[in-house]
Amino acid sequence: AQTVTQSQPEMSVQEAETVTLSCTYDTSESDYYLFWYKQPPSRQMILVIRQEAYKQQNATENRFSVNFQKAAKSFSLKISDSQLGDAAMYFCAYRGVNTGNQFYFGTGTSLTVIP
Amino acid sequence: DTGVSQNPRHKITKRGQNVTFRCDPISEHNRLYWYRQTLGQGPEFLTYFQNEAQLEKSRLLSDRFSAERPKGSFSTLEIQRTEQGDSAMYLCASSPQMGLLYGYTFGSGTRLTVV
Repeated sequence: AQTVTQSQPEMSVQEAETVTLSCTYDTSESDYYLFWYKQPPSRQMILVIRQEAYKQQNATENRFSVNFQKAAKSFSLKISDSQLGDAAMYFCAYRGVNTGNQFYFGTGTSLTVIP
Repeated sequence: DTGVSQNPRHKITKRGQNVTFRCDPISEHNRLYWYRQTLGQGPEFLTYFQNEAQLEKSRLLSDRFSAERPKGSFSTLEIQRTEQGDSAMYLCASSPQMGLLYGYTFGSGTRLTVV
């Protein structure tokens, strides 16, 4: 079964600094997709960034980028120039080609941004 | 279109009562998903619809749970004879029939408290 592990329950970062959130996953599939979702206190989950496993190039979306290490099954999220609005729960998620009808989520990392 | 809408936002019910939640997906999305999120955990898959057909159900979806999506539009999730362990956030999400790279659009969820 696919599992997603986020080993950092809580993280904090000073405003304007950079923070990296960790995520590892376990799968026997060779083709899959990885995502980071943000869940602010209002509780609606928002897609932050996504990565296709067959692409070696790391995805980037403005201040958000990932470090995807397929062999290590690692998918970390880097937030640069952190802003107060970045404070939220961040969930790493996996979606396999053969199990594509559902996402597998990690337990989340709560990010605090310190002014 | 204002996104995925879920009602009610909050529901408090007594143990043993039945409850029903509603989800209105984005109108052009033919895929609809229900997830359950308990405190400190990531969302867990419950069930998936493509149009009006319920194509997949998790083992988490006990016999007390039933979901429908008549006419492939809105969906309802009913829990019969609620138990305290049913207390959770119930999330609905929708997506178009595109590649797996396309993430979900989530609703804000319905928070159920069983007392």
